[in-house]
Amino acid sequence: SAVISQKPSRDICQRGTSLTIQCQVDSQVTMMFWYRQQPGQSLTLIATANQGSEATYESGFVIDKFPISRPNLTFSTLTVSNMSPEDSSIYLCSVGSSGVREQYFGPGTRLTVT
Amino acid sequence: GENVEQHPSTLSVQEGDSAVIKCTYSDSASNYFPWYKQELGKGPQLIIDIRSNVGEKKDQRIAVTLNKTAKHFSLHITETQPEDSAVYFCAASSGTASKLTFGTGTRLQVTL
Repeated sequence: SAVISQKPSRDICQRGTSLTIQCQVDSQVTMMFWYRQQPGQSLTLIATANQGSEATYESGFVIDKFPISRPNLTFSTLTVSNMSPEDSSIYLCSVGSSGVREQYFGPGTRLTVT
Repeated sequence: GENVEQHPSTLSVQEGDSAVIKCTYSDSASNYFPWYKQELGKGPQLIIDIRSNVGEKKDQRIAVTLNKTAKHFSLHITETQPEDSAVYFCAASSGTASKLTFGTGTRLQVTL
């Protein structure tokens, strides 16, 4: 499976600010996804990051709050904008390839908003 | 959309015993069912998966069973060890989009 890294691994931010999370994969992948995991909860898909086009957002998530970039087949960023304490979560990227069902996760970014 | 329920939310077993975690799904179009293990401070790790064209799959001490008619699937861990202690998530997806819907998770604790 691919080796996936995320930066930063954790951060503490003040409300009203923005944080950009990076996801880097050691090989080219077709699909990249961003998930949110609130404290003690399950994983919820935020959006699918599409290379060369706009991300596809799930219900309840909007581009103004969670802008996503996918400049190439090995890298994506998720920005959490105008943060509030409710945004305190673990943000995870995952990768997959077209025609292959397996999906692999990065180590996550633990975000605390004060 | 798909809805995945998972039980139990917590499970405590003694080392060497078996552990079973059960999930049900709502969308009859779902055809791929992975299981993930998440240790504290880490991302979820894919441990086993099953597709809708098979009823059971084994990999050493872990196995997954699928009942398409009843729309439920289960994870079985035999001869549990302390390193099996973690949160386990089931998930389901359909089609080729690879979008996963996760269950609520089961915290497994293996005691000595």
